[in-house]
Amino acid sequence: GAVVSQHPSRVICKSGTSVKIECRSLDFQATTMFWYRQFPKKSLMLMATSNEGSKATYEQGVEKDKFLINHASLTLSTLTVTSAHPEDSSFYICSAPQTGGDYTFGSGTRLTVV
Amino acid sequence: AQSVAQPEDQVNVAEGNPLTVKCTYSVSGNPYLFWYVQYPNRGLQFLLKYITGDNLVKGSYGFEAEFNKSQTSFHLKKPSALVSDSALYFCAGLGSYIPTFGRGTSLIVHP
Repeated sequence: GAVVSQHPSRVICKSGTSVKIECRSLDFQATTMFWYRQFPKKSLMLMATSNEGSKATYEQGVEKDKFLINHASLTLSTLTVTSAHPEDSSFYICSAPQTGGDYTFGSGTRLTVV
Repeated sequence: AQSVAQPEDQVNVAEGNPLTVKCTYSVSGNPYLFWYVQYPNRGLQFLLKYITGDNLVKGSYGFEAEFNKSQTSFHLKKPSALVSDSALYFCAGLGSYIPTFGRGTSLIVHP
């Protein structure tokens, strides 16, 4: 089946640095990618929707300048957390819609900012 | 507006017993409903979906869910729980293009 490969799975960075998270669609073309942030003990928060070749659509309250999303090709979408701070520490997950209505999720990235 | 509710924060069940994880929805039009499972530090895995047809949907790992239009529910069930079923379960609805997730229910299966 369709697979979304997400890297890195874990990253620790110093406060003030930037981190890039990649999601690649394998064996299919992802014209759209959803980016979620998962807070401790669950809830998935949709951060933004990226579309290949156009600007991402951000949800209300998500800082566009802090969470840079690029979807330059049909197989790659990236999320860059700029000038990371400890409060940005979280679990980030990407997801691509499939024909038939379901969604394929990446394996997630655990970001820890120290 | 679309919404999906998972009323239980946690469900505890003994291994071998049947399990139910509850989900109710409020989605405009014909609902597309999904169940996903998440193991620790992993992304979500698709379990099953309801789009149309039979109200009883069978999915991965022996799970099934019943779509009940009158009760606007889509509860996840399994006849005999395994310890390995312990995970976080999300119900999701798709009234528009973007899925709406419930808050998640932790399923704990005791040996």
